Amino acid sequence: DAGVIQSPRHEVTEMGQEVTLRCKPISGHNSLFWYRQTMMRGLELLIYFNNNVPIDDSGMPEDRFSAKMPNASFSTLKIQPSEPRDSAVYFCASSYRRESNSPLHFGNGTRLTVT
Amino acid sequence: AQKVTQAQTEISVVEKEDVTLDCVYETRDTTYYLFWYKQPPSGELVFLIRRNSFDEQNEISGRYSWNFQKSTSSFNFTITASQVVDSAVYFCAVNSNSGYALNFGKGTSLLVTP
Repeated sequence: DAGVIQSPRHEVTEMGQEVTLRCKPISGHNSLFWYRQTMMRGLELLIYFNNNVPIDDSGMPEDRFSAKMPNASFSTLKIQPSEPRDSAVYFCASSYRRESNSPLHFGNGTRLTVT
Repeated sequence: AQKVTQAQTEISVVEKEDVTLDCVYETRDTTYYLFWYKQPPSGELVFLIRRNSFDEQNEISGRYSWNFQKSTSSFNFTITASQVVDSAVYFCAVNSNSGYALNFGKGTSLLVTP
């Protein structure tokens, strides 16, 4: 089975540019999560979707961040405009939400550097 | 609110030593779930184990073992006879029936030297 697929693996951009991160969850999974990892703050939940519907976006830092899930097999996280403090590794994860103990399966992450 | 504390930021051991990674959690829920993940130097997050709050039995999987103690809100992870390949950052996490997402601790960086 293919795991969670994220693209790109690395992204380097200049401050003010728009950045779009992409995620393909595991087929059959109905929950999708976006996390951000930094040295200072560790792993932070940004937003999660259940059955393509955003359930909780309270972790999204500010209006510059937006996420969409147009269908069960694709999600995007967009930052516009990007700032140097957005530099981090962004992980997408999916799970089959039948029970609360479903583990999250993570992608390999996108390392974002904003200069 | 849920919270996970991993007090050990970094641990360094010599190969073949046993090492225990501590995890203390906070939750108001009576039903909750605990997880451990491994993040090797390559960066991916690998699921290791889950445990629900009703099951306090310890679990052993090869060189790995987990000790869940509800009375002290701890879910500690022990690696027996550590190997260099165990070098990674290990994360403890908690969630509950009322939440979908995992709340992670800050992680413990384990370095195993030959």
